[in-house]
Amino acid sequence: GENVEQHPSTLSVQEGDSAVIKCTYSDSASNYFPWYKQELGKGPQLIIDIRSNVGEKKDQRIAVTLNKTAKHFSLHITETQPEDSAVYFCAASMGDSNYQLIWGAGTKLIIKP
Amino acid sequence: NAGVTQTPKFQVLKTGQSMTLQCAQDMNHEYMSWYRQDPGMGLRLIHYSVGAGITDQGEVPNGYNVSRSTTEDFPLRLLSAAPSQTSVYFCASSPTGTGNTEAFFGQGTRLTVV
Repeated sequence: GENVEQHPSTLSVQEGDSAVIKCTYSDSASNYFPWYKQELGKGPQLIIDIRSNVGEKKDQRIAVTLNKTAKHFSLHITETQPEDSAVYFCAASMGDSNYQLIWGAGTKLIIKP
Repeated sequence: NAGVTQTPKFQVLKTGQSMTLQCAQDMNHEYMSWYRQDPGMGLRLIHYSVGAGITDQGEVPNGYNVSRSTTEDFPLRLLSAAPSQTSVYFCASSPTGTGNTEAFFGQGTRLTVV
């Protein structure tokens, strides 16, 4: 079946440095790619998303890039801060379905002071 | 702003017991869904609904039932709990569908089946 692979599973970076999380998807019909942040004991929360007609999107310290040819997309966080510590999930729409996402397994981001 | 409210937050069940996890949203969203989250596996879709009276199966529906009698509520029923259903359960709502718009998640229900 279709899947989304996410790497790394754990990422530890020094406060102030950048963090990059990468995802690869298998369904060439996927057209929506959100990133969610999950803090301990809470539900996931959308931090940024990108659609297949766009190559890059930025929101302050967060950016997402999409390479449709290679079927991969990445989350970039610059100037990391302690509050960035969380688990991050990437996801891809199941084909062009409005109703289902295929989720990556998650990346635990640790910001070292 | 309540958003998506799930109850209970924690539950311990014995094998074979049944129970209902409650989910309510106050954003007038048409789409609601239930996920389970297990370590190292991300989120897996159990059931979803695109509006009152309409439900459909997701990736892992076996052992679970849902109904959608109102726009606001989307309860998840475990028919006969099994240890394999030990997990954290999340309810989410979205204006049109999580496949193209933001999903708003509840705080989760941590279920242990012994």
